[in-house]
Amino acid sequence: SAVISQKPSRDICQRGTSLTIQCQVDSQVTMMFWYRQQPGQSLTLIATANQGSEATYESGFVIDKFPISRPNLTFSTLTVSNMSPEDSSIYLCSVTGGAVGGYTFGSGTRLTVV
Amino acid sequence: GENVEQHPSTLSVQEGDSAVIKCTYSDSASNYFPWYKQELGKRPQLIIDIRSNVGEKKDQRIAVTLNKTAKHFSLHITETQPEDSAVYFCAASGPGGGADGLTFGKGTHLIIQP
Repeated sequence: SAVISQKPSRDICQRGTSLTIQCQVDSQVTMMFWYRQQPGQSLTLIATANQGSEATYESGFVIDKFPISRPNLTFSTLTVSNMSPEDSSIYLCSVTGGAVGGYTFGSGTRLTVV
Repeated sequence: GENVEQHPSTLSVQEGDSAVIKCTYSDSASNYFPWYKQELGKRPQLIIDIRSNVGEKKDQRIAVTLNKTAKHFSLHITETQPEDSAVYFCAASGPGGGADGLTFGKGTHLIIQP
């Protein structure tokens, strides 16, 4: 199965700043997604990262706050912009397609905003 | 959009007994239903999944059943062991052939009592 590397694994950031999270897969995948998991809660889909075009955002998430890139079939980034303490969460990328059956998750980025 | 309800939120069973977690979904077009196990501080791990053209699937001690008419699916774990203690999430995905992200239930904290 595919190996997904997510960086950074954790970070503590000042409010008002931005953080870019990277997701690298060791094989080409069809779809890449970004999720948020707030402390003690379930996972919520933020957006679908579309290769070569703008991401598709779920209700409640906007491009200005969570810009996403996907320049190729193995890599994507999620930026959390103008952060506030409410953005403190775990952010996870997920992939499917190619050699990946089902939906596989990266190890996540634990973000704390102070 | 899709809505997934999951019950119970907490389930405590004696080691060796069976555990059942139930989920319902709202979108009749959903056709893929995975179950994830998440241990504290770790990524969600796919443990079993089922597609809408199948009514039941088993993998050793784990089974999933799907009732498309009633729009519900269940996870069954038999002969529970201490290592089964974790949070379990059900999820549903639409008919996009893997192009849709997952909508998750709120999770069930499974506690195996020795």
